[in-house]
Amino acid sequence: DAKTTQPTSMDCAEGRAANLPCNHSTISGNEYVYWYRQIHSQGPQYIIHGLKNNETNEMASLIITEDRKSSTLILPHATLRDTAVYYCIVRPYNAGNMLTFGGGTRLMVKP
Amino acid sequence: DAEITQSPRHKITETGRQVTLACHQTWNHNNMFWYRQDLGHGLRLIHYSYGVQDTNKGEVSDGYSVSRSNTEDLPLTLESAASSQTSVYFCASSEDSGSRRNEQFFGPGTRLTVL
Repeated sequence: DAKTTQPTSMDCAEGRAANLPCNHSTISGNEYVYWYRQIHSQGPQYIIHGLKNNETNEMASLIITEDRKSSTLILPHATLRDTAVYYCIVRPYNAGNMLTFGGGTRLMVKP
Repeated sequence: DAEITQSPRHKITETGRQVTLACHQTWNHNNMFWYRQDLGHGLRLIHYSYGVQDTNKGEVSDGYSVSRSNTEDLPLTLESAASSQTSVYFCASSEDSGSRRNEQFFGPGTRLTVL
């Protein structure tokens, strides 16, 4: 069974905020939410992660609902270079660094 | 700067041949991983290692093997290549399991075609 559910694709206008949703309704108390992205033909790149508090770094913000059953990755000012596949991954704290990738969301940023 | 490299970047081989894909990282990470990615799909874990002499099977390990003789390298071997193994292969490394960030650093990938 998939641990996360994401829309297959999304569009966003350049300069606008991109909001990428992820459902993880079966998440356990010790599981973190991670986001990676994969720009065409490249290896995936870490973006951000969180447990229950909202997080922000130089790349993005992560908003996790209070019940932790869903989250949203926010790219505040999307650029054409943000066009990529975005993966939402749920990972137990003691999982030995394992990552299980689903299908992800293909974000297309348009001029 | 520390990095993770893969070679070759592109490889064409024939069914039944043995193929080895190289992965080398200079992060001094104990953890290393091999994934495959088929067209239009996410990454699937093949094998992983938590340190020298340690190897473990992942989700899709049949037909693949790895060995870890030093910290820097985790070569992936296809014992007898099959057309179903045509894919893009990514190597990754990360800090020890106790690291909460769990950021995996990925190589550029190897595109393997088995004819």
